[in-house]
Amino acid sequence: DAKTTQPTSMDCAEGRAANLPCNHSTISGNEYVYWYRQIHSQGPQYIIHGLKNNETNEMASLIITEDRKSSTLILPHATLRDTAVYYCITITGANSKLTFGKGITLSVRP
Amino acid sequence: KAGVTQTPRYLIKTRGQQVTLSCSPISGHRSVSWYQQTPGQGLQFLFEYFSETQRNKGNFPGRFSGRQFSNSRSEMNVSTLELGDSALYLCASSLSRTGRGYGYTFGSGTRLTVV
Repeated sequence: DAKTTQPTSMDCAEGRAANLPCNHSTISGNEYVYWYRQIHSQGPQYIIHGLKNNETNEMASLIITEDRKSSTLILPHATLRDTAVYYCITITGANSKLTFGKGITLSVRP
Repeated sequence: KAGVTQTPRYLIKTRGQQVTLSCSPISGHRSVSWYQQTPGQGLQFLFEYFSETQRNKGNFPGRFSGRQFSNSRSEMNVSTLELGDSALYLCASSLSRTGRGYGYTFGSGTRLTVV
């Protein structure tokens, strides 16, 4: 699975959009990009995933660049409850394990 | 529907003892994976089971083992506990073997403290 690189931390104001970047420059054609988040001491929570097209669900939007070397998770209206560690992960069909990096700590301020 | 259930939620054990943790996946999910989370190492993959067979294994010593039953429930066992085994142990289940296309659903974890 491709190695992913994320900034260590970022913050945003409540009600504003939070844009969380992820670099996965070595991603291969059959690797999906997944985003999970972990709120303190809970299990990681699935947010969204995509292959090459942009995706949107009730939680977030995922924008994947045309060359697939990077992506951005967008939380359109961040709330205090979105404060968490966000992990960007790639998965291939050949390997079922999730390789978590250190993730990015998002702090939403009032 | 019920999520992934892990029992117990908290556990305190003494060095040298052994421990068994349990995971009940979401109904219909056949893939179960286990992860260890510590402040120093973060989230690390332990192993994955599908249809009662271990399909993938992380880089952990043989003291860590697991199994999956015919109803997809899984257990992991740690023998000869060491202080460094203190961690949050997380179980995740998925419909497909790879999780790709469906994602993994995690339980709340078992917090193991070794004293």
